[in-house]
Amino acid sequence: AQSVTQPDIHITVSEGASLELRCNYSYGATPYLFWYVQSPGQGLQLLLKYFSGDTLVQGIKGFEAEFKRSQSSFNLRKPSVHWSDAAEYFCAVGLAAGNKLTFGGGTRVLVKP
Amino acid sequence: GAVVSQHPSRVICKSGTSVKIECRSLDFQATTMFWYRQFPKQSLMLMATSNEGSKATYEQGVEKDKFLINHASLTLSTLTVTSAHPEDSSFYICSAKLPGGNSPLHFGNGTRLTVT
Repeated sequence: AQSVTQPDIHITVSEGASLELRCNYSYGATPYLFWYVQSPGQGLQLLLKYFSGDTLVQGIKGFEAEFKRSQSSFNLRKPSVHWSDAAEYFCAVGLAAGNKLTFGGGTRVLVKP
Repeated sequence: GAVVSQHPSRVICKSGTSVKIECRSLDFQATTMFWYRQFPKQSLMLMATSNEGSKATYEQGVEKDKFLINHASLTLSTLTVTSAHPEDSSFYICSAKLPGGNSPLHFGNGTRLTVT
């Protein structure tokens, strides 16, 4: 069975600093990988996805993620964090693009002024 | 704009009553929708896969008689929490896949259910 691990439950970062959120997965096949963001009391918004091809993918809001097969990782990065980036971030894996997803535990990002 | 609409956004009900939550795909047909449940400060757990015109597929441990899913049209799936109890209080989120081979899932804004 597939699993997704987000090792960091909370991350606090200063506004303007860089951010990296870790995601490791366990999967028996080539995974479809996603990052979603959730603001308090809201649904999930897709930040970016990886299906195949270039292992560095660009998303919305200035986020990018890099797929590393050898490390079974799909870490999310942003060079300069804005206060509006404070939210919960979820990494997810699926068998196919629109198939059911398995989510990691989430990482809550707090942004200090 | 939103492609998946969920209603209501919040609902409070008394223990023993039933609550229906709607999930609509906007301007596209969704033959499959997924229902997730999220406990406070936790991740999303898949409850069931809703298939248009057929029975839903429930994940292990999810009571199908408790959480009734109906996907009667290509744009609407409903989740009914029957005989709700306080432990059913949670955040319920639906998702649907846009048409197209590699379209990802899009999520509704969720429904906060509080059972008193």
